[in-house]
Amino acid sequence: ETGVTQTPRHLVMGMTNKKSLKCEQHLGHNAMYWYKQSAKKPLELMFVYSLEERVENNSVPSRFSPECPNSSHLFLHLHTLQPEDSALYLCASSQEVQGYGYTFGSGTRLTVV
Amino acid sequence: GENVEQHPSTLSVQEGDSAVIKCTYSDSASNYFPWYKQELGKGPQLIIDIRSNVGEKKDQRIAVTLNKTAKHFSLHITETQPEDSAVYFCAASKSNYQLIWGAGTKLIIKP
Repeated sequence: ETGVTQTPRHLVMGMTNKKSLKCEQHLGHNAMYWYKQSAKKPLELMFVYSLEERVENNSVPSRFSPECPNSSHLFLHLHTLQPEDSALYLCASSQEVQGYGYTFGSGTRLTVV
Repeated sequence: GENVEQHPSTLSVQEGDSAVIKCTYSDSASNYFPWYKQELGKGPQLIIDIRSNVGEKKDQRIAVTLNKTAKHFSLHITETQPEDSAVYFCAASKSNYQLIWGAGTKLIIKP
């Protein structure tokens, strides 16, 4: 286990469903991130949180809604998704908001049908 | 905008041979260059990184070289082994959290 746990590992949802992705880190880090990984494309940073405060929202559609109730937990709430939202969603954490020292979770493979 | 180009997209080498993956970045202010390895079903894991005040860094069978003038950096893996098979990502950043990522290289080690 890497210290960052993501659930579920796989998720299939219809375009009208509402679901949530969960991330938990056991490393005592203060910063957490959501990334989207699509095949053969660079990782896309979606959201950044520092001590439960959102630092960055990289022009992500409102059908993705993050929540950070405390520095150990991060959620991504999904609603009215499109098929092009199908991807691997990765959570990462680091000691502070920075570009190094990331620990990634194993991701949630999302398929929108 | 800022981008990082990574080549090749797929690399197949014979076990025991060396593998080289190259990345070119556009922002000359970039000063931190990590390499991540992603195995099947797992998230990316940092394997080596280099800062702009250093030209080369080595860790056992892996090394990274940086040419600031040409704005490119490379990952070198020597004596490749089956467990080196994975997707490798390069990235660049400017002392903040905004990592600009390459599109990845799938490395295949042939037995």
